[in-house]
Amino acid sequence: EIVLTQSPGTLSLSPGERATLSCRASQSVSSSYLAWYQQKPGQAPRLLIYGASSRATGIPDRFSGSGSGTDFTLTISRLEPEDFAVYYCQQYGSSPLVTFGPGTKVDIK
Amino acid sequence: EVQLVESGGGLVQPGGSLRLSCAASGFTFSSYEMNWVRQAPGKGLEWVSYISSSGSTIYYADSVKGRFTISRDNAKNSLYLQMNSLRAEDTAVYYCARGAYVDTAMAAYYYYGMDVWGQGTTVTVSS
Repeated sequence: EIVLTQSPGTLSLSPGERATLSCRASQSVSSSYLAWYQQKPGQAPRLLIYGASSRATGIPDRFSGSGSGTDFTLTISRLEPEDFAVYYCQQYGSSPLVTFGPGTKVDIK
Repeated sequence: EVQLVESGGGLVQPGGSLRLSCAASGFTFSSYEMNWVRQAPGKGLEWVSYISSSGSTIYYADSVKGRFTISRDNAKNSLYLQMNSLRAEDTAVYYCARGAYVDTAMAAYYYYGMDVWGQGTTVTVSS
């Protein structure tokens, strides 16, 4: 069973700073099936990145994804006020079919 | 506009049943795999169930296996989740989410993550 671990649990940063979020898998994950989501309070999750590094439609280029195997990273190059939210990584295809990480909260310092 | 709209949530007693629905519009529903994902109050996202585009392949999380049943009606552009033997720990917002695109004519499969989500429907299991 694949377990996704995200770190840090909370990231306190100021607008304009760079955010680096980590997602580590207990077993190798196909890059094709690694995605990142953003969720704000009271809202549904929004897809940011699929295939480990491809931005979803309408996602600003300050969001980027990288990584392979068991280590993946979401980077927000310069935080905008609307980027303070919770971010989840997710894998598809291994047992269980879908797994989400526990999330990283990016809050305002 | 591509849209998913959930309905059917509510308050139910432990041991009771509910049927959630998800109405899809703005895309060819029958070409997409679909999922149910839930989020307990103050907690993270938990995948619940998956159904293939044709409905022939189904998976469940261990936490709901044997109690929940996913189904779809491609003629009605609708996804369903029948929830039986509900427990307090099933209390959550339930989202339907679009998965991979399946082009059966070209025998092609495209996974772009869960790219469309509904607004969610709240299920509360309490006496």
